[in-house]
Amino acid sequence: DTGVSQNPRHKITKRGQNVTFRCDPISEHNRLYWYRQTLGQGPEFLTYFQNEAQLEKSRLLSDRFSAERPKGSFSTLEIQRTEQGDSAMYLCASSLGGGGLNYGYTFGSGTRLTVV
Amino acid sequence: QQPVQSPQAVILREGEDAVINCSSSKALYSVHWYRQKHGEAPVFLMILLKGGEQKGHEKISASFNEKKQQSSLYLTASQLSYSGTYFCGTEMENNDMRFGAGTRLTVKP
Repeated sequence: DTGVSQNPRHKITKRGQNVTFRCDPISEHNRLYWYRQTLGQGPEFLTYFQNEAQLEKSRLLSDRFSAERPKGSFSTLEIQRTEQGDSAMYLCASSLGGGGLNYGYTFGSGTRLTVV
Repeated sequence: QQPVQSPQAVILREGEDAVINCSSSKALYSVHWYRQKHGEAPVFLMILLKGGEQKGHEKISASFNEKKQQSSLYLTASQLSYSGTYFCGTEMENNDMRFGAGTRLTVKP
């Protein structure tokens, strides 16, 4: 078990460009979450998958953001036409859950996005 | 929907105790507590499920009052390693979790 892996660790992009981040969760975890965190704030919920199904999506997520989790394994988060306000740390977390089970989240180290 | 944490920051001397509070306006399924050190990812401390319970982990324990939708994290005999930002996460029945703004804890020698 190597934990939750996120790539890349850092991404600098020009405003208007598209970016894609990848998250590899702990293999036996069926739930996967994306959060965004800015300096001095708590993680802000973006979206959540149970296996391959995207069950919740924040209303804060504009149509420029999309996430996928094909086959319930790794997940990607894409931001189209990036804006400077998208600059943040993007955190992925995974957990076991469902059927009355509920466990804590394991977070990845995050992808730090800087839009210039 | 974001839970409210208090205090925003606390400074302790080694060996002192602290309490961090978390409250929600929504009915909760569970409350999570995490600690994040500067430049690192949040690390899971404990989860409390509805039904009202108290959990402990060495000198860190927590309680969850389901009726009041409140949770408290208790740190006793604090150590330097306890420094960091503590977040509560409140989870509702639909399993999405919202985090508070955090409580920055500084433990000084």
